Amino acid sequence: KAGVTQTPRYLIKTRGQQVTLSCSPISGHRSVSWYQQTPGQGLQFLFEYFSETQRNKGNFPGRFSGRQFSNSRSEMNVSTLELGDSALYLCASSLGDLRAQYFGPGTRLLVL
Amino acid sequence: KQEVTQIPAALSVPEGENLVLNCSFTDSAIYNLQWFRQDPGKGLTSLLLIQSSQREQTSGRLNASLDKSSGRSTLYIAASQPGDSATYLCATASGGSNYKLTFGKGTLLTVNP
Repeated sequence: KAGVTQTPRYLIKTRGQQVTLSCSPISGHRSVSWYQQTPGQGLQFLFEYFSETQRNKGNFPGRFSGRQFSNSRSEMNVSTLELGDSALYLCASSLGDLRAQYFGPGTRLLVL
Repeated sequence: KQEVTQIPAALSVPEGENLVLNCSFTDSAIYNLQWFRQDPGKGLTSLLLIQSSQREQTSGRLNASLDKSSGRSTLYIAASQPGDSATYLCATASGGSNYKLTFGKGTLLTVNP
């Protein structure tokens, strides 16, 4: 069974631009979560979607948004990029309640 | 607010040694605890998941224990190998959602041949 896939793997943007990242979960997984990883803050929870509904949200500004499609694929959007948004963005999928989360390889975003 | 701490931040051992990585958390009302490894520049690989009602889980040379009452978990790696070199992260699912993981900063493990 294929793992979690994320596209693109690398992105370079400039301040003020916006970016969209994509995540395809493991087949059959309906929950998709997003995390930001930086050297200073470590891994931080952004949000989680289940059946196209956002169920949980972390402490990030409104510039960070996401959505989930009927096939469970998810996208994350960051508008008005700032230098501090440079990070590895990871998505994870899960089969259901109390089950393990499986992570994709991440999208590395560099904001110049 | 859940806080997860991992000690030590870095560990270097010779090949073949048994070792223990530590993880502590402040809020014992967790749904589960998961251990991951992360290789440089890569995503996370799930190693072991312990539900809140369990005391330990084993997979091959790995054994993870959980003591909810004291807010501690350990990851035991037997007969370490150079291929075990990576950053090991623990994460708790808590805060009203079993999908919202709170991570520690990780332990960077180096196994020397």
